[in-house]
Amino acid sequence: EAQVTQNPRYLITVTGKKLTVTCSQNMNHEYMSWYRQDPGLGLRQIYYSMNVEVTDKGDVPEGYKVSRKEKRNFPLILESPSPNQTSLYFCASSGNRRGSYNEQFFGPGTRLTVL
Amino acid sequence: RKEVEQDPGPFNVPEGATVAFNCTYSNSASQSFFWYRQDCRKEPKLLMSVYSSGNEDGRFTAQLNRASQYISLLIRDSKLSDSATYLCVVNGPAGNMLTFGGGTRLMVKP
Repeated sequence: EAQVTQNPRYLITVTGKKLTVTCSQNMNHEYMSWYRQDPGLGLRQIYYSMNVEVTDKGDVPEGYKVSRKEKRNFPLILESPSPNQTSLYFCASSGNRRGSYNEQFFGPGTRLTVL
Repeated sequence: RKEVEQDPGPFNVPEGATVAFNCTYSNSASQSFFWYRQDCRKEPKLLMSVYSSGNEDGRFTAQLNRASQYISLLIRDSKLSDSATYLCVVNGPAGNMLTFGGGTRLMVKP
């Protein structure tokens, strides 16, 4: 089944404790992206990647890191999480380098709470 | 001004009604436009792309007005299952990024 998977689905952590949210897609997509969704602010793009080893900042990259060492994986790293990073996070992928011109396939979301 | 603006609603309509949503965008260079549907606590899913000539998919019709920089979604014969949040999505300001509107919530009542 073609899909985007994220892990963990739910996470409660404390300020300053490094964490990684994994994202994997099995559709051989080149474009991958991370979003956060907050009430009243909608979905905002954190980082995106147009191909392996190519990543770019989105609208709200501060406090986050990403890497794209393999085509299928695009982990989101929070080196020192803070409470303002409490949010619902979505990973998405799209079929070619011009990913923003095509349908985005979203993962199921990761609900993160930072205490 | 937000880059992509939508009326948050909620729009409460009876089954069978026709309902229309508008979305305005600020970047005149945007080239791709979409409507996504998001159910509560779920991931967004593509409802339809929006083309310059307008397009229709069953009960759903999308229109693009580049001169006024807005896109619209019309839902005819609303079903209970249409209850969801509808997200307007535009590519830009940088071509490889996507900007989402805040969403319009639709509630279809029996």
